[in-house]
Amino acid sequence: DQQVKQNSPSLSVQEGRISILNCDYTNSMFDYFLWYKKYPAEGPTFLISISSIKDKNEDGRFTVFLNKSAKHLSLHIVPSQPGDSAVYFCAASFQGGSEKLVFGKGTKLTVNP
Amino acid sequence: EPEVTQTPSHQVTQMGQEVILRCVPISNHLYFYWYRQILGQKVEFLVSFYNNEISEKSEIFDDQFSVERPDGSNFTLKIRSTKLEDSAMYFCASRPPGQGGSGNTIYFGEGSWLTVV
Repeated sequence: DQQVKQNSPSLSVQEGRISILNCDYTNSMFDYFLWYKKYPAEGPTFLISISSIKDKNEDGRFTVFLNKSAKHLSLHIVPSQPGDSAVYFCAASFQGGSEKLVFGKGTKLTVNP
Repeated sequence: EPEVTQTPSHQVTQMGQEVILRCVPISNHLYFYWYRQILGQKVEFLVSFYNNEISEKSEIFDDQFSVERPDGSNFTLKIRSTKLEDSAMYFCASRPPGQGGSGNTIYFGEGSWLTVV
């Protein structure tokens, strides 16, 4: 079951530069998308989300872009900081009141000082 | 900041034993969830719980699993007879009331690491 895909298992970026994390989905019924950040031995922490009626949502250093026609979303972190080093999960939820979040496998971001 | 708390943080159990994982969701939240992550794999949905009953469950959540909210604050996941493949990090989560099925932010606890030997 690969409804949400994060094809890059890892990404390494210099401090101060932009980090771009990508996510693709296959199910057109998804109507809400979320990004979570996870440190080792901790639970996922909510970062930012976007509804399918929007194509961009910004919160401080974090911006999520949604391209519905391509079934693609991305998370931009600008500027990247060493504390951003973590695993980032893309997640999606369905229309019709389903409570389920479907997660991607995650991308491990390393921000080098 | 309010948070979802889980106990134990780590439990080792013999195959075939019963395990109960406990969670205290954020106090004004009404929707509760269990997810799990097997090492190296995705975070997977197990079950959602609202108004004292299961609202949705995945294929993983078979008869060996049950959930309960015994006292209005704790939310528990019971695995009746553990198998080796139940070894995983189990995450409890909750979300506040007042929003629809999608478009909600779900808050996760730090997880309970279950090792079945």
